[in-house]
Amino acid sequence: QKEVEQNSGPLSVPEGAIASLNCTYSDRVSQSFFWYRQYSGKSPELIMSIYSNGDKEDGRFTAQLNKASQYVSLLIRDSQPSDSATYLCAGAGGGADGLTFGKGTHLIIQP
Amino acid sequence: NAGVTQTPKFQVLKTGQSMTLQCAQDMNHNSMYWYRQDPGMGLRLIYYSASEGTTDKGEVPNGYNVSRLNKREFSLRLESAAPSQTSVYFCATLRGAGTGETQYFGPGTRLLVL
Repeated sequence: QKEVEQNSGPLSVPEGAIASLNCTYSDRVSQSFFWYRQYSGKSPELIMSIYSNGDKEDGRFTAQLNKASQYVSLLIRDSQPSDSATYLCAGAGGGADGLTFGKGTHLIIQP
Repeated sequence: NAGVTQTPKFQVLKTGQSMTLQCAQDMNHNSMYWYRQDPGMGLRLIYYSASEGTTDKGEVPNGYNVSRLNKREFSLRLESAAPSQTSVYFCATLRGAGTGETQYFGPGTRLLVL
């Protein structure tokens, strides 16, 4: 089993709708979780981090963590064309080897 | 603060040539990382350095060497470049450990090996 798995997409969502991105993970990377956004040709940038079960909201973004089911999700409300990017889910096991990344989900917001 | 910087931004090599990718950070983080990113493969860890003076292999270390020159600098060397090493290379640092840890990425180096 891959340690962090994401659907590669593309996921196409109309402008103004809610985009829902999902990620599952293995036991080794179960301490803390991160969502990064990566525009084409750019480096990943951190959007959200979440460590505890439940929801965490930051502006239009909500991260959800369910440790019993081993999944983490990112909701983007009122999606904008500028949200079109690849979203990387990452998990950390607390070791020195840093974060383990999924392959990313390509999100397209249709105007 | 510049954060994480990488040089060069772009490089074209011929098979068999060598080069060193440079990375520097001004965030005073102990841990530094080198990733490569290929289409459909996500970010794969090449090497990391948990602290000055230590380095460890990641998922895909073959064909690479690293040097943690000091706390600020972590370089990646390709001794004999191969076309399979055509990729985008990202350097990253890690803030904290356990809950609160976050990785910060440099702008990347785009490498083409002919």
